[in-house]
Amino acid sequence: QKEVEQDPGPLSVPEGAIVSLNCTYSNSAFQYFMWYRQYSRKGPELLMYTYSSGNKEDGRFTAQVDKSSKYISLFIRDSQPSDSATYLCAMSASGGYNKLIFGAGTRLAVHP
Amino acid sequence: GAVVSQHPSRVICKSGTSVKIECRSLDFQATTMFWYRQFPKQSLMLMATSNEGSKATYEQGVEKDKFLINHASLTLSTLTVTSAHPEDSSFYICSAMGLDVLDTQYFGPGTRLTVL
Repeated sequence: QKEVEQDPGPLSVPEGAIVSLNCTYSNSAFQYFMWYRQYSRKGPELLMYTYSSGNKEDGRFTAQVDKSSKYISLFIRDSQPSDSATYLCAMSASGGYNKLIFGAGTRLAVHP
Repeated sequence: GAVVSQHPSRVICKSGTSVKIECRSLDFQATTMFWYRQFPKQSLMLMATSNEGSKATYEQGVEKDKFLINHASLTLSTLTVTSAHPEDSSFYICSAMGLDVLDTQYFGPGTRLTVL
């Protein structure tokens, strides 16, 4: 069993839809949770950074962490074609100085 | 803030030659840098971790004599692929962590290496 599980998709939605992306994990020591967006042939870009449980909102993006269920989510409201990318969840036990454990990435396509 | 650059963005070389890839943190001091490799439609695979002024720590299965990493300053790390072979063709991405930024990794744009 992988430490971090993420459905690779692809996920195809119409413009304006609410997108829900999820990861589950097995290591209860994880405290830091991140979502990265990666466009084709580009490096990952940090979208959301969360410590421990709870919600965090930034514009159209909301990150949720439920440590009791070992489950994290990223919601994208009013999705746009420019949101089409691969979304990677990542987590670590004690900040980024520890190795980041990545999910496989979910490919998202938002069509007009 | 927290911008990381890589150079070159794309390189093609002949089998048997060596290739150097640079990773720079442009607006912060990178105390730790990481090198990843990514195959098409796959996630990132960590190759090594380097701290400024120290020898790099390589992940299991990564040949340290083939992938030479130098982190000589707080803003620059280099990855040299020695005696490159076609199977080394891949997308190489660096990331950096450091002072006065969030406690996470910031990624460069990646370098696509093609070995003929």
